[in-house]
Amino acid sequence: GENVEQHPSTLSVQEGDSAVIKCTYSDSASNYFPWYKQELGKRPQLIIDIRSNVGEKKDQRIAVTLNKTAKHFSLHITETQPEDSAVYFCAARSSGSARQLTFGSGTQLTVLP
Amino acid sequence: DAGVIQSPRHEVTEMGQEVTLRCKPISGHDYLFWYRQTMMRGLELLIYFNNNVPIDDSGMPEDRFSAKMPNASFSTLKIQPSEPRDSAVYFCASRGRDSNQPQHFGDGTRLSIL
Repeated sequence: GENVEQHPSTLSVQEGDSAVIKCTYSDSASNYFPWYKQELGKRPQLIIDIRSNVGEKKDQRIAVTLNKTAKHFSLHITETQPEDSAVYFCAARSSGSARQLTFGSGTQLTVLP
Repeated sequence: DAGVIQSPRHEVTEMGQEVTLRCKPISGHDYLFWYRQTMMRGLELLIYFNNNVPIDDSGMPEDRFSAKMPNASFSTLKIQPSEPRDSAVYFCASRGRDSNQPQHFGDGTRLSIL
C-alpha cells in the first residue's frame, strides 16, 4: 500500500517569511495529492490539491509542487501570517483499486509575530 | 450545504460502555470515511463506504469497533465495549463520485473513555 512521509514535524518561522513542508510517497501509481490545514480543535480543511498531470499549482500565498519522478511534493507558504499557524497534512491517493487517502504525519507550523 | 455533520461533538463515558458516533455526509456524496486522530498515531483511516457498502475495513482496530451505513445520509461507528485507549477524535468525511474530488471532513467527535 501507499506510504506517505512528511517533514518536518514542527516548523517555526517569523511572520513574513516563507514556510516549506515536504512529503514523499511510495506508490508510483498515486495521482492525487491534497493538502489539509487543521487548526487547534477544528476539522482538517482542504487548502490546495494537485493532480499528477501538473507540476505546480498556486493559490495566492500557497503553492504546491510535484515531482513524480522523485515521488515527492511540497507545500510552500509565502508571506506567512500568524493565522497560518496550524497543523498541515499532506496526503496521496493511488489510482489503483484503493480509493482512500493516505495521510502524512502532519507538520505543526508556528508563525511568530 | 451544511457540510458533513457529526454528533455528538463531545462524548465522555466510562470504560465498558457502548459508544455510538453518528455522521451525516454531504448530500450526493457516494463515499464516506471514518478516521481516528490521536497524537501518537495521527490520522488513521478506520473504514470507508461506497454507496452505503463497506469497501475496506482493514483499519478497524478490533472487533469492538463496528460501522454501518443503512442509507446514503447516515452512518454510525460503534465501540462496544469501550476502553480508555479508544479516547481520540473521530472524524467522518465524505467525497463525491469523482475520484479526484477532495474529501470534506466533519467537525469530529472528541471521545474520552474514563
